[in-house]
Amino acid sequence: KQEVTQIPAALSVPEGENLVLNCSFTDSAIYNLQWFRQDPGKGLTSLLLIQSSQREQTSGRLNASLDKSSGRSTLYIAASQPGDSATYLCAVYSTQGGSEKLVFGKGTKLTVNP
Amino acid sequence: NAGVTQTPKFRILKIGQSMTLQCAQDMNHNYMYWYRQDPGMGLKLIYYSVGAGITDKGEVPNGYNVSRSTTEYFPLRLELAAPSQTSVYFCASSYSRVPGQGAARGYTFGSGTRLTVV
Repeated sequence: KQEVTQIPAALSVPEGENLVLNCSFTDSAIYNLQWFRQDPGKGLTSLLLIQSSQREQTSGRLNASLDKSSGRSTLYIAASQPGDSATYLCAVYSTQGGSEKLVFGKGTKLTVNP
Repeated sequence: NAGVTQTPKFRILKIGQSMTLQCAQDMNHNYMYWYRQDPGMGLKLIYYSVGAGITDKGEVPNGYNVSRSTTEYFPLRLELAAPSQTSVYFCASSYSRVPGQGAARGYTFGSGTRLTVV
């Protein structure tokens, strides 16, 4: 059974700091991995999607890497801003029990202090 | 704006009542999903559909039913509401050109329905 773990569960940093969020998954047979952002009381916004054949994706100050063989992904946020405060969710898409599923981690709650 | 639309945004139900959560997408995505999100528990898959007329159970299907008569709509039905169904429900969609090879373009989520059963 695919399980996704995100560490740390919560992170508080001062504005301007570079930071790394970690995601690990137990079954390396994935199709892709996606990072989402969720603001309080809101839905999920897709940040980056990495296909299983890719090593990393970049969007602005965000960089996500994928090491499928070790079952790990990191989300790097450069020069953090208070507006980056949100919960960040990692999800992997894989086939389990004959059906395709997107399995989520529980998220990392990020607070960027001015 | 194109995307996934969920209604209602909020709802309070009494135990034993029934309701339908509506979900519509206008991106011509073939895959659609229903998730529930409980505090500290992450998102759990309830049901999903790979195309019109095809649905399948996810991780936590008990107490729910779905239908997919068209590509655009994927309603979720709660027949006998229970306090354990208090949660935030998210509908999502994705496109997979070749089923089994994952969603090449990623997933789009609706803004959610916050349901309380009292």
